[in-house]
This record gives sequence, C-alpha cells and structure tokens, in this order.
Amino acid sequence: ETGVTQSPTHLIKTRGQQVTLRCSSQSGHNTVSWYQQALGQGPQFIFQYYREEENGRGNFPPRFSGLQFPNYSSELNVNALELDDSALYLCASSLDSGPYNEQFFGPGTRLTVL
Amino acid sequence: AQSVTQPDIHITVSEGASLELRCNYSYGATPYLFWYVQSPGQGLQLLLKYFSGDTLVQGIKGFEAEFKRSQSSFNLRKPSVHWSDAAEYFCAVGTNAGNNRKLIWGLGTSLGVNP
Repeated sequence: ETGVTQSPTHLIKTRGQQVTLRCSSQSGHNTVSWYQQALGQGPQFIFQYYREEENGRGNFPPRFSGLQFPNYSSELNVNALELDDSALYLCASSLDSGPYNEQFFGPGTRLTVL
Repeated sequence: AQSVTQPDIHITVSEGASLELRCNYSYGATPYLFWYVQSPGQGLQLLLKYFSGDTLVQGIKGFEAEFKRSQSSFNLRKPSVHWSDAAEYFCAVGTNAGNNRKLIWGLGTSLGVNP
C-alpha cells in the first residue's frame, strides 16, 4: 500500500510568483486536506477536498486554491506569493471526510519565498 | 471558538523517566481528540485518538492518553521514555461544524530526551 506522497520536496520562489504543490492520496482514500505549518507552529488548516469538491476552508485568502482529481490526488495553488507564505505544506488523506477519520500525512513540501 | 492549548513548548526528560504532555481543548460538542507525533524529516504520525467510550486510550509506541471532560483535557503519557521518542508532539481536535470539517491543532510540545 503506497502512502501519501507530495511533490516537490523543496521549492524556492520569489515574491509575486505562483506555485503548484501536488499530493497523491493513499489508496482507497477519497478525502484530502491541506495544511500550512510555519516554523515552530502547529499545522493550520487550509482546505479539504472530498470527492473532487471543496469541503471546508480555513482562514486563508482566495489566492490559496486547490483541486482534486478523479483519482483523488490533489493540487494546492498559491498565487501572488508573499514572504509569509514560506512554510511546510502538508497534505493528508483520509478514508472519508468525517473528523473522526485518521488522517495520513505526506512528508510535506518546504516552500521558501524570497 | 474551538481551540487547542499545549501549555508546554518544550520538555526535556531523562531516558527511562515517565512523561506527561498536556493538552487542553475548547469545543462545545463532543470532541474527537488526537495526538500526533512529528519526527525530523518525517510526516505526522497518529499516536492515538479518542471519540467515545473508555476515557483511557492506548496508542502506538507505548503511549496512552486520558480524556477528562471536566477538565477539558487530553493528556498524553508514557511510563518510560526512549531516546527515539524525541520529537514534536501535537494535540488536535476534530470539528464537525456544518461542512467545515477539519482538525484544529495545538502549537506542539517539543520533547527532548537526555541519555
């Protein structure tokens, strides 16, 4: 059974640029959640996708957007990058969208905005 | 508003000593509670979870946690710490408000283990 994978591992961008992060969910999982983890902080919920539809969103501006594909993999897009967007971006998949479901996390993508 | 508080930013214990990491939550309904561990260079891994039933739950790696509704707490414990337990520990509460289902996380407790 393949776990959650994320690409790329590391990324360096400049302010104002756009970035796309990718996540492959664990086999059999239809829900993907994205989190931002700043250095020394806990993860902050960005949004969740369930069966290709957004199923909840945290306090992030619209320049953070996402997609989920029919195979349940997902993308996180961030437009007009700001310095404060530098963080570890975590993707987690789960069997279903309920809050009782264990989330399985990928290793993350480290984004640095210069 | 829902929130999770982990009062201890950093704790250091000696190998073989007992451990307790504190977690307090604020949530109006029955909480879904989780403890995750994050080791350097690795993803977050679930240690244990509580939804209902027995308030003392057992997890992986010898960890356990006790849910105390009266204290709004879900403290993580281990009777004897191993050097490999050095990591960041996060407490989280799962919310089910409408379609906004998500995990709310504490800031984490960094655990150091002295040989």
